[in-house]
Amino acid sequence: DTEVTQTPKHLVMGMTNKKSLKCEQHMGHRAMYWYKQKAKKPPELMFVYSYEKLSINESVPSRFSPECPNSSLLNLHLHALQPEDSALYLCASSQPGGLYEQYFGPGTRLTVT
Amino acid sequence: QKEVEQNSGPLSVPEGAIASLNCTYSDRGSQSFFWYRQYSGKSPELIMSIYSNGDKEDGRFTAQLNKASQYVSLLIRDSQPSDSATYLCAVKNAGNMLTFGGGTRLMVKP
Repeated sequence: DTEVTQTPKHLVMGMTNKKSLKCEQHMGHRAMYWYKQKAKKPPELMFVYSYEKLSINESVPSRFSPECPNSSLLNLHLHALQPEDSALYLCASSQPGGLYEQYFGPGTRLTVT
Repeated sequence: QKEVEQNSGPLSVPEGAIASLNCTYSDRGSQSFFWYRQYSGKSPELIMSIYSNGDKEDGRFTAQLNKASQYVSLLIRDSQPSDSATYLCAVKNAGNMLTFGGGTRLMVKP
């Protein structure tokens, strides 16, 4: 089973709203990732959790706040976003380390109005 | 700056032909190499991984790796219109970070 699930599929939020994106995997992976992807661009890494600890934060603005409640779940809390934050947000998982394949979820299409 | 370079395309091939997608990378410490397929509006789907020099075949797909030349390629035999997508080359070093190329858009014409 190589499935990563994400909810919601689509999200429209105003600039003053607070919302959360959720990601779940049941592959026993111990590394989980958030990416942001704009149209016609490759995925851009935002955060990496390894063994439930934040290991990489790619200088992401504080209006994005990640959380890893356990080894299967990853959340991305959103607050005071800007219209330029509209994008496809992708969750991925893998085993930690350089030799493991990374699998992506279906993504959440976020629109900030 | 660790870079992965791909020709953005579009690469147009007729149905039934071989599509050849290429990728170069700058980090000699890279350990693993991946090809993802991404349809418009969808998420990347892993189609091939390769770790050592040479060829790796899976159905109609063949990945080729040449670490000395820092070059990875993907061959798609008997291309079908359903293969039309953007193909992302991705490279991983000893850590957890994937570095993506910009992607090559493939168009297979019936």
